[in-house]
Amino acid sequence: AQKITQTQPGMFVQEKEAVTLDCTYDTSDQSYGLFWYKQPSSGEMIFLIYQGSYDEQNATEGRYSLNFQKARKSANLVISASQLGDSAMYFCAMRGPAGGTSYGKLTFGQGTILTVHP
Amino acid sequence: ETGVTQSPTHLIKTRGQQVTLRCSSQSGHNTVSWYQQALGQGPQFIFQYYREEENGRGNFPPRFSGLQFPNYSSELNVNALELDDSALYLCASSLDGNQPQHFGDGTRLSIL
Repeated sequence: AQKITQTQPGMFVQEKEAVTLDCTYDTSDQSYGLFWYKQPSSGEMIFLIYQGSYDEQNATEGRYSLNFQKARKSANLVISASQLGDSAMYFCAMRGPAGGTSYGKLTFGQGTILTVHP
Repeated sequence: ETGVTQSPTHLIKTRGQQVTLRCSSQSGHNTVSWYQQALGQGPQFIFQYYREEENGRGNFPPRFSGLQFPNYSSELNVNALELDDSALYLCASSLDGNQPQHFGDGTRLSIL
């Protein structure tokens, strides 16, 4: 079974500073995918960044980067130069290996509420 | 290119009723997944459809059922509604199983 743990219920950051949102995962699969999604108060789930378990380099997408430490089973999201519009709920999620029963299924953590202060 | 669209946006039902939620996947996406998100929780996987066949199911009872149509749009049906079914229901589509899932805005279902 797959499990995602986000231990920070809430985080606060000053505008223009960087912030790290923690995510640890548990799986017995060798191949898997890790995702981060942003969910504003309006409810839509916005895809931010993806990291494959065999990717050697950390994923980056604009101001978002994923600090992937496979041995520690962690996949922390780093947001650089925070903006007021970054205030939202952030979810870490995992997908199982191709061909497996959990391939199409995303397993989500409990989420972290990020508040950006001006 | 249109994204994932869901209807209705909000819905109020009473216990014991039945409900159908609809989802139009992003253009070209043949895989659709449904999730239930209770207030303050992360989404929980209900099931996934690939080319009109159910392709995986989460820990939900049989009264949660679905369909996918030839144009890859999808429906989620819930029978015998219970108070605990009150949640945000999210639909997500992807180009194939290897691509990130893109979500709609969700349907907020309230059971009275």
